[in-house]
Amino acid sequence: GQQVMQIPQYQHVQEGEDFTTYCNSSTTLSNIQWYKQRPGGHPVFLIQLVKSGEVKKQKRLTFQFGEAKKNSSLHITATQTTDVGTYFCADPSGSGNTGKLIFGQGTTLQVKP
Amino acid sequence: NAGVTQTPKFQVLKTGQSMTLQCAQDMNHEYMSWYRQDPGMGLRLIHYSVGAGITDQGEVPNGYNVSRSTTEDFPLRLLSAAPSQTSVYFCASSYSRQGMAEAFFGQGTRLTVV
Repeated sequence: GQQVMQIPQYQHVQEGEDFTTYCNSSTTLSNIQWYKQRPGGHPVFLIQLVKSGEVKKQKRLTFQFGEAKKNSSLHITATQTTDVGTYFCADPSGSGNTGKLIFGQGTTLQVKP
Repeated sequence: NAGVTQTPKFQVLKTGQSMTLQCAQDMNHEYMSWYRQDPGMGLRLIHYSVGAGITDQGEVPNGYNVSRSTTEDFPLRLLSAAPSQTSVYFCASSYSRQGMAEAFFGQGTRLTVV
């Protein structure tokens, strides 16, 4: 079945360092979404990427969608303690509009002040 | 707007008990889903619905039932609770408009089965 693999599982960084999480799919994706979950919280939508090779920025966050639409990455520049949480990529399962998401395992980011 | 509301927030069940996790959304979204979250495994899809009266199975449906009699409500029923169902459960709703399908999640229900 569909699988979305995400690495690394955990990342500890010093405040100010950069952080990247990678997402790989076994199949070509129609689009990909990214979510952030703060400790004890619920996932919150960050962005959706649709086009091959697409790059989108949100302040210090840069999202990329691979040319083959099989991988994606989230890069955070100069991390802050507010970036702590788990970041998930999600495949909206391009088998038509269903609303279901297949999530990667997530990358938990810890930031040391 | 309340968004997606889940009740209860916490629940302890004994093995073999049944219960219903409630989920309601006030955004008139077509799509609703249930996920469970376990350490190191991300969120896994249990059941989903594309509209009132229509439901389908996700990745891990065994031991759970759902129904969708209205657009607003999508309850998840545990038929006979087992310790393996100890998890955090999230309900989500979404719409699809111009290719966008952002999901909105409830606050979660933390379930322990003893």
